[in-house]
Amino acid sequence: KQEVTQIPAALSVPEGENLVLNCSFTDSAIYNLQWFRQDPGKGLTSLLLIQSSQREQTSGRLNASLDKSSGRSTLYIAASQPGDSATYLCAVMDSSYKLIFGSGTRLLVRP
Amino acid sequence: NAGVTQTPKFQVLKTGQSMTLQCAQDMNHNSMYWYRQDPGMGLRLIYYSASEGTTDKGEVPNGYNVSRLNKREFSLRLESAAPSQTSVYFCASGDGLEGTEAFFGQGTRLTVV
Repeated sequence: KQEVTQIPAALSVPEGENLVLNCSFTDSAIYNLQWFRQDPGKGLTSLLLIQSSQREQTSGRLNASLDKSSGRSTLYIAASQPGDSATYLCAVMDSSYKLIFGSGTRLLVRP
Repeated sequence: NAGVTQTPKFQVLKTGQSMTLQCAQDMNHNSMYWYRQDPGMGLRLIYYSASEGTTDKGEVPNGYNVSRLNKREFSLRLESAAPSQTSVYFCASGDGLEGTEAFFGQGTRLTVV
C-alpha cells in the first residue's frame, strides 16, 4: 500500500529565506509525482509535475526533484515571499492510476 | 476553459438524507477521483475511476457510491448521510499514462446535521 509522508507538518520562516519541503513515498512504482498549493478555504492548484523518468522540474522560484529509488521528492522555494504562505501537498500517481496525497506542509512566510 | 466543475458548492443535509455530488471535466482525461478533506488534514481518496467503465475503492469508501457516467462525468452518492460525512469534497481528473497534471474542482462543502 502506497503511503505518502510530508515533513515538516508546519514551517515558519522570515521573508527572503530559501526553503525545502520534503515528501517521501513507500512504493517506487509510480507514474508521476505532483506538488500542489492550497490556500485556506480554496481548492488545489498544481505547481509542478515530475514524470517518473525525470529528476527535476522548475517553474520560476520553484524547483522540485524526484529520487524514485529512495522514494523522495523535495520542493525548493527560493527567496520566499509572504504570498507563498499556503499549504503545500505532494501526491504520487501509482501504477493503478491511484493518486495518493501526503498530509501537507503548512508554510508561513513572515514579512 | 472550465477544467473540472463540481456541483453544488455548498450543501446542508439532515442525517439519513441522500444526495449526489456531480463532477464533470472537459480535458479528455481518462482518470477521475473523489476526495474528502477534513479540517487540518490532507486529502483522503474515497473512490477513483482509472478509465471510463471502471471504478475502484480508495482509502475511505464506506458510506459512498460512485458512477462513472461517461468519460466526462463522475458522480459521488451518499445514500444515507451521517454527521461523520461532514467534510469538503473535491473531484479531480488526470491522466497518468499521458503524463498530464491532475486538476481539481473548487470543492463542495457538505454539512450533515
